[in-house]
Amino acid sequence: DQQVKQNSPSLSVQEGRISILNCDYTNSMFDYFLWYKKYPAEGPTFLISISSIKDKNEDGRFTVFLNKSAKHLSLHIVPSQPGDSAVYFCAVSMYSGGGADGLTFGKGTHLIIQP
Amino acid sequence: DAGVIQSPRHEVTEMGQEVTLRCKPISGHDYLFWYRQTMMRGLELLIYFNNNVPIDDSGMPEDRFSAKMPNASFSTLKIQPSEPRDSAVYFCASSHTHRGPYNEQFFGPGTRLTVL
Repeated sequence: DQQVKQNSPSLSVQEGRISILNCDYTNSMFDYFLWYKKYPAEGPTFLISISSIKDKNEDGRFTVFLNKSAKHLSLHIVPSQPGDSAVYFCAVSMYSGGGADGLTFGKGTHLIIQP
Repeated sequence: DAGVIQSPRHEVTEMGQEVTLRCKPISGHDYLFWYRQTMMRGLELLIYFNNNVPIDDSGMPEDRFSAKMPNASFSTLKIQPSEPRDSAVYFCASSHTHRGPYNEQFFGPGTRLTVL
């Protein structure tokens, strides 16, 4: 049973417009939420994260929104650029107090930015 | 910093053979993770280490899989014997506790394993 769901396998957006990627999770115990970006033949790279005590975190063109009651996470990219074309993974984690934990990933959304 | 280094980048082997994947984490990182990516299951955690000690291996699919971390700068993931269903991309990642609880993990480029 998938704990993290990204229901859109792909998304096509015009350059300059807003890209919105969505993610749903099932376990309310998750504390930390991350977005990773992956290009072909490379490993995922960290993009942005948010803790469960916040509902928004911004970093330049990237903003992550967290709706805990709906168990929903979204990533907004404004404006979208051709270099943003990649697969985006939502990931969740539980902080175990003493240190890090493994990440649980969604299956990814392939974002395609059209010129 | 060189980042997380994995070798080999590609491995093609025949069913029944032993396969060893290698990982060098970022210097100073105290956590090391092994993940596997397949079309069916996506990216899934296999095992992770803290200060060279295995913490959670519940994601290791079968006894054919084993992982070791003999020192802070080296880890191996071994499959013996390998089967076609083990074909996947295997990623190693590392992180540092003192970066905070956001658990930002740094991934290597992956090893693409094909078992014929």
